[in-house]
Amino acid sequence: DAMVIQNPRYQVTQFGKPVTLSCSQTLNHNVMYWYQQKSSQAPKLLFHYYDKDFNNEADTPDNFQSRRPNTSFCFLDIRSPGLGDAAMYLCATSIFPPASSTDTQYFGPGTRLTVL
Amino acid sequence: ILNVEQSPQSLHVQEGDSTNFTCSFPSSNFYALHWYRWETAKSPEALFVMTLNGDEKKKGRISATLNTKEGYSYLYIKGSQPEDSATYLCAFKTGGGADGLTFGKGTHLIIQP
Repeated sequence: DAMVIQNPRYQVTQFGKPVTLSCSQTLNHNVMYWYQQKSSQAPKLLFHYYDKDFNNEADTPDNFQSRRPNTSFCFLDIRSPGLGDAAMYLCATSIFPPASSTDTQYFGPGTRLTVL
Repeated sequence: ILNVEQSPQSLHVQEGDSTNFTCSFPSSNFYALHWYRWETAKSPEALFVMTLNGDEKKKGRISATLNTKEGYSYLYIKGSQPEDSATYLCAFKTGGGADGLTFGKGTHLIIQP
């Protein structure tokens, strides 16, 4: 089945120690997104890639970076994780332009990051 | 700043009962409204994408309505089953570009046998 895969599902890191979260997709979608969901909060868009074009949200901290080496993979790098970065990180994909206005985004199961 | 509000935050429903919950969103610059079901340890699953005022969509026992003029959508579940237990997220999209979604905090639904 075509899908969005996130590894690892659970990640523990230490305060200030760089960490990389991984997302891969078999849908061949040209857009990939990273969302952050803190406890009891709404998922919040950090950035997205449209093909190789990186689009950062205005309020995404510089501590968060992303790489997309090819269509299938996208990485989220947190350079110096703080306690406030503990969250669920969701990867999603979509196709643009969409085949119809009701095309949706497809999500992975998320990576839960703990910062000690 | 776009604000998507969902209510209630959590809901306990007896098996077999019907239920509904609300998503409110800005009525300006509307493009689409998405509903997702997110079960624990799984990926959020797309339920509906609605774009037109007055849209009604149905998938099995679950249906949704959309009012873009007043900025709200209702999700209905008829005859709740334990497998309906999940967090239901709505998300708002402005414009038809490749931009992401603006989510609400979700409604956490627990079906009690």
